[in-house]
Amino acid sequence: AQKVTQAQTEISVVEKEDVTLDCVYETRDTTYYLFWYKQPPSGELVFLIRRNSFDEQNEISGRYSWNFQKSTSSFNFTITASQVVDSAVYFCAHTGGFKTIFGAGTRLFVKA
Amino acid sequence: EAQVTQNPRYLITVTGKKLTVTCSQNMNHEYMSWYRQDPGLGLRQIYYSMNVEVTDKGDVPEGYKVSRKEKRNFPLILESPSPNQTSLYFCASSVTSRTGELFFGEGSRLTVL
Repeated sequence: AQKVTQAQTEISVVEKEDVTLDCVYETRDTTYYLFWYKQPPSGELVFLIRRNSFDEQNEISGRYSWNFQKSTSSFNFTITASQVVDSAVYFCAHTGGFKTIFGAGTRLFVKA
Repeated sequence: EAQVTQNPRYLITVTGKKLTVTCSQNMNHEYMSWYRQDPGLGLRQIYYSMNVEVTDKGDVPEGYKVSRKEKRNFPLILESPSPNQTSLYFCASSVTSRTGELFFGEGSRLTVL
């Protein structure tokens, strides 16, 4: 069965530090999509990125970057020069068909 | 404005009193889904719908019902709520189930006493 593991429950960093959020998935699907969502303290869920299983190219968007490695079934998320506004819970998710499976989330605290 | 709207946002109820959480989207999305969020467990899928009149169970469907009579609406029904259904509920929609990003409602915090 599909499974998404975010082993880091909470991470605390000081502003301007780089931080990487880990995501490991298990899947039997040959074609699948991986996602990251952000849930700030206000509670809404915001889409950050989607990656399909055929595209292992890393992606960078401003201070955010994502490293997809199919060989290790990982889809890690790095925030460079973190800011207080990055404080949130981050969820990794997998979709192989009709169901989206989420990890338990990683709560990131960025201290000023 | 593209959005997913859930109501009520907050509800305190008692065991056994039937309740419905409504969900409506204005993006003409085919796929809709309900999740519950509990501490340490992330989001778990309750039910999903591929299109009108097409629904299926997610990972935690027990105690819930859904219907999809119109494309825009996907209500979540708790026929006889129990305290273990106290949770934060999110409705989401997407263009497609597989490739599309999920657009989430603001969440409904339900407490069952």
